[in-house]
This record gives sequence, structure tokens and C-alpha cells, in this order.
Amino acid sequence: DQQVKQNSPSLSVQEGRISILNCDYTNSMFDYFLWYKKYPAEGPTFLISISSIKDKNEDGRFTVFLNKSAKHLSLHIVPSQPGDSAVYFCAASGAWGTDSWGKLQFGAGTQVVVTP
Amino acid sequence: DAGVTQSPTHLIKTRGQQVTLRCSPKSGHDTVSWYQQALGQGPQFIFQYYEEEERQRGNFPDRFSGHQFPNYSSELNVNALLLGDSALYLCASSQTGTGLYNEQFFGPGTRLTVL
Repeated sequence: DQQVKQNSPSLSVQEGRISILNCDYTNSMFDYFLWYKKYPAEGPTFLISISSIKDKNEDGRFTVFLNKSAKHLSLHIVPSQPGDSAVYFCAASGAWGTDSWGKLQFGAGTQVVVTP
Repeated sequence: DAGVTQSPTHLIKTRGQQVTLRCSPKSGHDTVSWYQQALGQGPQFIFQYYEEEERQRGNFPDRFSGHQFPNYSSELNVNALLLGDSALYLCASSQTGTGLYNEQFFGPGTRLTVL
């Protein structure tokens, strides 16, 4: 049962433009959401996170938006750079004290290619 | 500051064999989680160790077992290997007790191929 879904397997964007990655989830008990970036032959690298008490979190070029009523989150990268070309994973976990705390559930990933 | 390290980087085994993968957490972290990533998929949670005990477990059979040592390093053991166990095995570390959220940092993974 896939509780975190990334429906776009790939995204191509021009350098300098905005990249928007989407993620949907089905478990209403999820309380904390994270985005990871993964290069080939490396482990996932943490990018940015957001808790359910917020609807937006920014860190430099990266902004994550959370819409709890729609069970949807998105990652915006502005401006996109060639070094951003990687696979991006959305992940979610439950609140402290719940069964799903600490068990990160991942989407299948979106391959981003930034072209010059 | 050393990040999460894993060994070996690659491993080839045959069906029915047993394998042990190793992980050293990031400095200052006391919690280790293991994930399996099949080709084209996102990582799947196997289990998490804290204070040398399994704290959480995902939907993996008992063939998958683990251990955490007093220095917080961890091992993942898989018995009676199947072809379907071929995957990238990722270790992630975190610090329990620093807040309500469990931000996890990943190692580079061990690529296991079962023939």
C-alpha cells in the first residue's frame, strides 16, 4: 500500500527557471514531511522538511508547501541550476508516539533534469 | 565530521546464503534505521534500532534481522537470500530526543546482488 505518491517520474526544466515537484499522501496521521535529493551511487541527502503545523518552509532556493486538507505537498526550486539534476524523494512520518513515528515512508521519486 | 558510513559498498551473493551489512552512524547520533531500495522505487523501511533494541519494524520477514552495538553502530543480517533481495540497502542515523521529529541522515548504501 503506497501511502506516499510522486506521480511524475521525471521533470525537465531550463536553467534559471522554477522546478515544481509534487507529492501526495493518503495517511492522515502523517505529521512530518521531508524532501531528499539523490545522486547516482550516493545515499539520499536531506534537503528540507516541514511539520504539519506549518504550510510553508523556506531554505535558500528551496521552498516546501504543505496543503493538509488536500494531503499534498510540493517542492519549489528557484532558480534551478544544473547541479540540481538528481532524483528527488518525498518522505513522510507520523507524530511522536504514533506507530509511524521514525518510519519514513518514501515516494517513488522524480528524476529532475536541468538543461542549460 | 564523519557522516554515515556503510560497508561494504558492493556485495554479490548466491541464493540461500546469508549476508551481513554494517553501518556507523553520524557523530552524535544514537539511532539507526535501515531501508531497502529496489530499482526504480523509493526506499522501504526495514527497522530502526535505539538503545541496542529494535524499536520499529516495517513489513519485512524475519529473515531480516539486525543488531545495534554500544557504540551505536549497527548490522543488518539477511538469511536465506532470495533473488528479490537484490537492492540498495541504506542506513540512516538520527538523534532521538532532540525534538518531536526524526530527521534522518543517510549513508551511501550497500549494493547487494543475489544470483
